Amino acid sequence: GENVEQHPSTLSVQEGDSAVIKCTYSDSASNYFPWYKQELGKRPQLIIDIRSNVGEKKDQRIAVTLNKTAKHFSLHITETQPEDSAVYFCAASVQYGNKLVFGAGTILRVKS
Amino acid sequence: NAGVTQTPKFQVLKTGQSMTLQCAQDMNHEYMSWYRQDPGMGLRLIHYSVGAGITDQGEVPNGYNVSRSTTEDFPLRLLSAAPSQTSVYFCASVGSGNTIYFGEGSWLTVV
Repeated sequence: GENVEQHPSTLSVQEGDSAVIKCTYSDSASNYFPWYKQELGKRPQLIIDIRSNVGEKKDQRIAVTLNKTAKHFSLHITETQPEDSAVYFCAASVQYGNKLVFGAGTILRVKS
Repeated sequence: NAGVTQTPKFQVLKTGQSMTLQCAQDMNHEYMSWYRQDPGMGLRLIHYSVGAGITDQGEVPNGYNVSRSTTEDFPLRLLSAAPSQTSVYFCASVGSGNTIYFGEGSWLTVV
């Protein structure tokens, strides 16, 4: 089955700097790659997603890139702010939103 | 729309007890699923359903049972609770455009 690895497990950046989180997946049939932000005690919230027919997607300060050949995708957050501090999860699925396989998460700390 | 509603939010069980986590959605979504979240491991799929009367196993189904008698409801049953089932449980449904709607979570402790 699908396996998703996520790095780094923790990331500390200064406010205003960029943050990059990387994920690799094993199943070449995966076609949907969402990213979630989770604050302590809350449910995961979708922040951006990308499908296998697209190489890059951007939404204001957040962007995701996908390299299908290498089977990896990355989350880029620019101009980080203290409110970006949270746990971020990547995921992959062979059925779009169904049967997601999640990475282990990255704790992002933005220092002001 | 209330979205995805899970109950209870917190529960403490003794080893060997059984219980049911309730999940309901009012968005007429066909696809529903249950995930568990343990520290450092992300979310893992327990069971899922593609419609009323149809259920299937995910990554970690052992010790759990589900049924889908209606489109709205997708309860998760713990048959004989074990300490290893201490976790946070999230119910989810998938809407148009493959948008996933998560419930608020259920914190379960088995002692």
